[in-house]
Amino acid sequence: AQTVTQSQPEMSVQEAETVTLSCTYDTSENNYYLFWYKQPPSRQMILVIRQEAYKQQNATENRFSVNFQKAAKSFSLKISDSQLGDTAMYFCAFMKHAGGGADGLTFGKGTHLIIQP
Amino acid sequence: DSGVTQTPKHLITATGQRVTLRCSPRSGDLSVYWYQQSLDQGLQFLIQYYNGEERAKGNILERFSAQQFPDLHSELNLSSLELGDSALYFCASSEGTGSYEKLFFGSGTQLSVL
Repeated sequence: AQTVTQSQPEMSVQEAETVTLSCTYDTSENNYYLFWYKQPPSRQMILVIRQEAYKQQNATENRFSVNFQKAAKSFSLKISDSQLGDTAMYFCAFMKHAGGGADGLTFGKGTHLIIQP
Repeated sequence: DSGVTQTPKHLITATGQRVTLRCSPRSGDLSVYWYQQSLDQGLQFLIQYYNGEERAKGNILERFSAQQFPDLHSELNLSSLELGDSALYFCASSEGTGSYEKLFFGSGTQLSVL
């Protein structure tokens, strides 16, 4: 079974600053996928960014980028030029590679990110 | 708006009762997933359906069941409800079944068992 650990329950930064959320995971799988989801106060889960484990290049989506260290089983999320709208719970998630999408996503406990004006 | 519709948004019921949560996936999506979010357990995968067939099962209790209908909407049935079943239940949909699929989540049904 996989586990996902987010060691920072809450973080607070000033608007326009850069912030990094940490995530580590444990798995015996070699092929898998990693995701960061955002849950704003509206409660809806929104995909922020995703990474295929077999790709060494770190994924980037506008102000969001990841630092994927496969050997260390680390998958951190960096948010540049943070904005008030980035205030939300952020969940790191893991899914093993399977044709049928078996097991679904395994989520971490989340990090509550607060962007201060 | 993700395009995934969940009803009802809120549900209050008593222990021992049975409820049904409904989910309509995005147009064109064949997969439906159910997740439970609680303070104790966090976000947990319950079950996945693809085009009417069960595809994967997670931490779903025997008191819970789900199905996906020919029009692709899905229902999650929770019976013999206990206080600990109080949670936010999410439905998500995706086009296919691949592990790299982008999931689109609904806004959830908040279930309160009193």
